[in-house]
Amino acid sequence: DGGITQSPKYLFRKEGQNVTLSCEQNLNHDAMYWYRQDPGQGLRLIYYSQIVNDFQKGDIAEGYSVSREKKESFPLTVTSAQKNPTAFYLCASSMGSGGTDTQYFGPGTRLTVL
Amino acid sequence: AQKVTQAQTEISVVEKEDVTLDCVYETRDTTYYLFWYKQPPSGELVFLIRRNSFDEQNEISGRYSWNFQKSTSSFNFTITASQVVDSAVYFCALGLYGNKLVFGAGTILRVKS
Repeated sequence: DGGITQSPKYLFRKEGQNVTLSCEQNLNHDAMYWYRQDPGQGLRLIYYSQIVNDFQKGDIAEGYSVSREKKESFPLTVTSAQKNPTAFYLCASSMGSGGTDTQYFGPGTRLTVL
Repeated sequence: AQKVTQAQTEISVVEKEDVTLDCVYETRDTTYYLFWYKQPPSGELVFLIRRNSFDEQNEISGRYSWNFQKSTSSFNFTITASQVVDSAVYFCALGLYGNKLVFGAGTILRVKS
């Protein structure tokens, strides 16, 4: 089955720790995205990547880092610099880039800082 | 600036009622795309529909229908004969060439049996 997988589903982090969220897609999509969702709010873009070895900051990139070494993988690292990391994180991918192609989403990772 | 407004924070209906979720967007571009997504309690966003700005025909898919009106910058979503399984958060989003998706804040739909 083609789709997007994210792991882990739940993640707990102590303050001061970096954690990495995994996102893998087998849809052969060029573009990938990371969003953050807080309770009662819409999605906010953290980073996106249109091609391998290239990525751009979204609206709320501070305290996060990404890499795109393979087309199918786009991991997100939440660093200790992120002041309020507790949130639901969604990964998405699309065939083309920008806001015109349909983005398909993974099941999400819920991160909690203890 | 691009903006999407979903004025209804939460809607509660009884099963079998029809319900309309409103979406109003702002953009100066003449070419753009509009999307609706459903987020059930499991959390994953499920794609429902994508429309471009040149296609104002209403669309129907089973119990779902969408009304696109450029004159009022609206792209409303109607569920006919709602079911408990329709309970979810619904997001409207605006997409532009060379740009990211702009999401509305979402509307929580609760369908009671």
